[in-house]
Amino acid sequence: DIQMTQSPSTLSASVGDRVTITCRASQSISIWLAWYQQKPGKAPKLLIYRASSLRSGVPSRFSGSGSGTDFTLTISSLQPDDFATYYCQQYNFDPPITFGPGTKVDIK
Amino acid sequence: QVQLLESGPGLVKPSETLSLTCTVSGDSIRSYYWSWIRQPPGKGLEWIGYIYFRGSTNYNPSLKSRVTISMDTSKNQFSLNLNSVTAADTAMYYCARVSDAYNPMTYFDYWGRGALVTVSA
Repeated sequence: DIQMTQSPSTLSASVGDRVTITCRASQSISIWLAWYQQKPGKAPKLLIYRASSLRSGVPSRFSGSGSGTDFTLTISSLQPDDFATYYCQQYNFDPPITFGPGTKVDIK
Repeated sequence: QVQLLESGPGLVKPSETLSLTCTVSGDSIRSYYWSWIRQPPGKGLEWIGYIYFRGSTNYNPSLKSRVTISMDTSKNQFSLNLNSVTAADTAMYYCARVSDAYNPMTYFDYWGRGALVTVSA
């Protein structure tokens, strides 16, 4: 199985801050990575797929980058609605699909 | 707009079978692959498996011996059965649509709101 790690596990930030979350795969997954946002009591929501493609309707302050084993999710200017937990997910051909452990973004 | 809704018992006894159904509206279940994903309280996400209407399934090896995913196209529903459950199977169970109609190994674009299942005597 491909193992996913994320750092940091928790991030404290203020509205307007630039925030970067890192996701690392245990082996190369090319660009086959997605990012989700999850708020308490809600299902995850897809933000980015194929490492850097923004899902339609997702604010442009969200962006993704990376390939191979190292990826980042950046929020250019943190908004009140962005306080949530973020998960990466790899989908490199062979099952199982695996997720990172999550990064919680909370209020500083 | 695609909508998914999980239903089933919220409490299951240890050693018994957990059964959940996902009802899909706004899309034909024949058009895509469909998955189950679970999340233990306070923890991360675990992919359980997927199904395609032609009968194709694939399961997470960690659960493969206990999992069955099936489909009822006449009701636009798919279901999850997990047998021999223990407390470790207590989780929020989500059904989700696989975004690519031709490739099941990809990301999930629509999710249900989730069904909390507790395993306890």
